[in-house]
Amino acid sequence: QQQVKQSPQSLIVQKGGIPIINCAYENTAFDYFPWYQQFPGKGPALLIAIRPDVSEKKEGRFTISFNKSAKQFSLHIMDSQPGDSATYFCAASKETSGSRLTFGEGTQLTVNP
Amino acid sequence: DAGVIQSPRHEVTEMGQEVTLRCKPISGHNSLFWYRQTMMRGLELLIYFNNNVPIDDSGMPEDRFSAKMPNASFSTLKIQPSEPRDSAVYFCASAWRPAGELFFGEGSRLTVL
Repeated sequence: QQQVKQSPQSLIVQKGGIPIINCAYENTAFDYFPWYQQFPGKGPALLIAIRPDVSEKKEGRFTISFNKSAKQFSLHIMDSQPGDSATYFCAASKETSGSRLTFGEGTQLTVNP
Repeated sequence: DAGVIQSPRHEVTEMGQEVTLRCKPISGHNSLFWYRQTMMRGLELLIYFNNNVPIDDSGMPEDRFSAKMPNASFSTLKIQPSEPRDSAVYFCASAWRPAGELFFGEGSRLTVL
């Protein structure tokens, strides 16, 4: 019940494309869903996060879509750029109870020029 | 403002040797996490502390691994004896609370020959 399943494992798009990364969770008590971005040689860093009271959140070119009934959420990157090439991790937690984050397996995104 | 500081950044050692990885969390953060990242297994939580107390060490692979947090500003992860399969990047992260935003260090890349 603590698992977060992420797909695809890797993704290659052309500059300007819209890569979509999907995550599914089992625990309906999860109430906080962040995405982390990791560049080579660096630690992951928070990119954007959503809570289940909204179905979508946008920050710049990054959008999270959230489907509570399907227990799924996804990251969309609009007008992707080569600088977006990184590994992306979804995560989930029961924020209100103070539980730690559970991470997905990660998606390696490559944006070709 | 300094982020999470890890040392050493790179460590190459021989099988059987003791390895000690160090972490200084962000001042004021109450939660500290140790993660291991490999291509095969992704980002694995090894152990986390809240207010210097170990809360969940179920991710620690075996008795060869140990972690301590003697005070709020310092933690160590020790591997004794080290084995080639321990080769990975080890990340330390800190947060205000277990379910909150994690701030990762830049990692310690360990190679055990």
